[in-house]
Amino acid sequence: DVKVTQSSRYLVKRTGEKVFLECVQDMDHENMFWYRQDPGLGLRLIYFSYDVKMKEKGDIPEGYSVSREKKERFSLILESASTNQTSMYLCASSYQETQYFGPGTRLLVL
Amino acid sequence: AQRVTQPEKLLSVFKGAPVELKCNYSYSGSPELFWYVQYSRQRLQLLLRHISRESIKGFTADLNKGETSFHLKKPFAQEEDSAMYYCALSGGNFNKFYFGSGTKLNVKP
Repeated sequence: DVKVTQSSRYLVKRTGEKVFLECVQDMDHENMFWYRQDPGLGLRLIYFSYDVKMKEKGDIPEGYSVSREKKERFSLILESASTNQTSMYLCASSYQETQYFGPGTRLLVL
Repeated sequence: AQRVTQPEKLLSVFKGAPVELKCNYSYSGSPELFWYVQYSRQRLQLLLRHISRESIKGFTADLNKGETSFHLKKPFAQEEDSAMYYCALSGGNFNKFYFGSGTKLNVKP
């Protein structure tokens, strides 16, 4: 069974703070993704990575960066959190065009 | 541009009634189409994909290239089908995915 884990289920941060969201997968998948999930907007791709140290911008990369130093770990970084980044963040890895999702991190920026 | 459209935000049906969740897409190549489901307090998971042509939990979806649609259907809805459903397509390099905005299905007893 594929396991994708995210470091926190809930986070509360203040405006301007640097925020790290961690994602780990245990199936040796090459592709990993970060999405944000908002009501009425569905899932929007922030960044994805197809290999270690490789990254590509998704549809809404502004205000975010990512890091992939090891194959199993993909980190999302909010350099300076803002209230409009309050959202549910989903990490996924993929194999043969099937995405496997983590449980999500609900981030509240005050 | 790649786009997935789910026109209904909410769909309410009674138990035993047929259900159809609509999905339309635009893509310049030959996409792979999927339905993902998220039950309450659970993670998002794959329900079915068009190339496997299988029925999962009684759901089926047919890819209609002429109408660029991939509607999800079930002849008799069950209360446990209540969930959020997302249509998605995959295409291009790196298996990039595009998701629709989701349809919440509410099956009433």
